[in-house]
Amino acid sequence: EPEVTQTPSHQVTQMGQEVILRCVPISNHLYFYWYRQILGQKVEFLVSFYNNEISEKSEIFDDQFSVERPDGSNFTLKIRSTKLEDSAMYFCASSVRQGGNNEQFFGPGTRLTVL
Amino acid sequence: AQSVTQPDIHITVSEGASLELRCNYSYGATPYLFWYVQSPGQGLQLLLKYFSGDTLVQGIKGFEAEFKRSQSSFNLRKPSVHWSDAAEYFCAVAVMDSNYQLIWGAGTKLIIKP
Repeated sequence: EPEVTQTPSHQVTQMGQEVILRCVPISNHLYFYWYRQILGQKVEFLVSFYNNEISEKSEIFDDQFSVERPDGSNFTLKIRSTKLEDSAMYFCASSVRQGGNNEQFFGPGTRLTVL
Repeated sequence: AQSVTQPDIHITVSEGASLELRCNYSYGATPYLFWYVQSPGQGLQLLLKYFSGDTLVQGIKGFEAEFKRSQSSFNLRKPSVHWSDAAEYFCAVAVMDSNYQLIWGAGTKLIIKP
């Protein structure tokens, strides 16, 4: 069964460093998403992406964040200058279509630890 | 603003006992409703979803959920839990007003007593 994959599973970085989190969505999916979950808190939407453009982003997704689909398979989240409060689990998801009745398939997550 | 409430942070049940996890949402119209499960160290797996039609929906792993419009609830149930059900369970909704972003509850951690 096709699945969303994410690498690395765990990333440790120093404050102020740039990190890139990588995701490979399911191959026939067209919509891609990033969510994050700070330890002990709710899962929060960050951004959605379609047709090589951001279609929606939350207040969390400020200028420090960017997303890219550099080739036909990868979908990346870049944090330019990490802060302590960026420590969280980051989940990538993909769906065939957008809309409430379309299931988003989630990857296993990348745990980002900022020291 | 739309919100999802899962009032129970932890629930402990004995193996073989029945389970009900509560979820309430705040939204004027009927949202799209989901339950996800997150096992330790794992990603988020969809258990079941409600879009329309029959208000009792069946999911994977023997779970079911019932949408009750009058109570704005979508509670998850299982008649007999197994030790492997120990995990965190998240209720989520997708609403048109938020461009169908998933809005999440805080999660309920299920602990199974042997």
